[in-house]
Order: sequence, then structure tokens, then C-alpha cells
Amino acid sequence: DQQVKQNSPSLSVQEGRISILNCDYTNSMFDYFLWYKKYPAEGPTFLISISSIKDKNEDGRFTVFLNKSAKHLSLHIVPSQPGDSAVYFCAASAEYNFNKFYFGSGTKLNVKP
Amino acid sequence: DTGVSQDPRHKITKRGQNVTFRCDPISEHNRLYWYRQTLGQGPEFLTYFQNEAQLEKSRLLSDRFSAERPKGSFSTLEIQRTEQGDSAMYLCASRSIQGSYNEQFFGPGTRLTVL
Repeated sequence: DQQVKQNSPSLSVQEGRISILNCDYTNSMFDYFLWYKKYPAEGPTFLISISSIKDKNEDGRFTVFLNKSAKHLSLHIVPSQPGDSAVYFCAASAEYNFNKFYFGSGTKLNVKP
Repeated sequence: DTGVSQDPRHKITKRGQNVTFRCDPISEHNRLYWYRQTLGQGPEFLTYFQNEAQLEKSRLLSDRFSAERPKGSFSTLEIQRTEQGDSAMYLCASRSIQGSYNEQFFGPGTRLTVL
């Protein structure tokens, strides 16, 4: 039962342009969302998070948008850089069990120079 | 480096053998998590500890799997009688005690290959 879905396995973007990675979830109890970045042979690295009381959180080139009614969140990277090339995972948790993170299957981003 | 460490990084074993992995969390983190990641999928929750207490186990964690955190610091994950379907990346993560809205920090993982 995949409660967090990333429907795009891959995305290719030109350097300097915007990258938009999407994530959908089904559990309306989810109230905390995170994005992780993963390079080959490394563990996932935390990138940015958002709680359900907000609809936007920004950190430098990275912005996460949350649309609770649509159960959808997105990660925007502006401008994209070749070093951003990695697999990006969306994750979610619920207050009633905040120790359990549910991950999507990931989107592999390729930023072309 | 005070991040999460895991040992070994790679393990190749034959079907039916037992394997044990170790995780050392960030020192001040009292919560420790184990995940499994297979090809093309995101990490799947297996179990977590608060200090030395194992508080939740996923149904993915069959009776061949056992995890311990005896002194509330490092943790071990043992798989008995390994099967080819156990081949995966096993990730460990830790998290601080401060609140519920914070991230988990992941180690580099142990890649298990069962022949």
C-alpha cells in the first residue's frame, strides 16, 4: 500500500533552469513532509521539510510547496545545478506516529550542463 | 565525523547464512531506525528504538530478522537463514529527542547480496 507516490521516475533539466519534482500522498493524517536527496553509494541526506500548517517553505534554491486539499507537494530547485543531479525522495509522517516515515519511490534528477 | 555510521558497507553471503549489521547513530540521538531499500523503491520502515526499547516493528520484519540496541547506543540487525529476497540496502537512521517535527539522519547503508 503505497501511501506516498512519486510518479516520475526521472527528470532531465538544463543547468540554470527550474527543476520541479512532484509527490502525492493518500493518507490525510500526514502532517509533516520532507525531501531527501540521495547520491549513489550514500545514504539519503535531508534537504527540506514542511509541516501541514504551512503551504510553502523556502531554503536557498530549494522551495517546497504543499497543497493539502490535493494531497500534493512539490520541490522546486531554482536555478538547477549539475551537482543537484541525484535521486530525490519525498517522505511523510503523521503526528499520531511521527516515528514512521513513509517514502516515495524517488525521482532521479539529471541536470545537464 | 559525527554522522551515522554503518558497518559493513557491503556484504555478500550465501543463501541460508546468517548476517549481522551494525549501526552507530549520532551520539546525542536517542531514536534509531532501520529501513530496507530495494532497487527502484524508497526506504521502507522496518523498526525503531527509543533508547534501548524497540517500540515498533513492521510486518516486513519476519521472524528471521532481529534487531537490538542493548545499551541505547549502537544497534545491530541480524538476518537468519538469509534468502535471495533479502538482497537490499539496509539503512539506519537516527533522530534527536527534540519534538516530532524533525528529520532523521541516515547512514550510508549496508548493501546485502544473497547468492
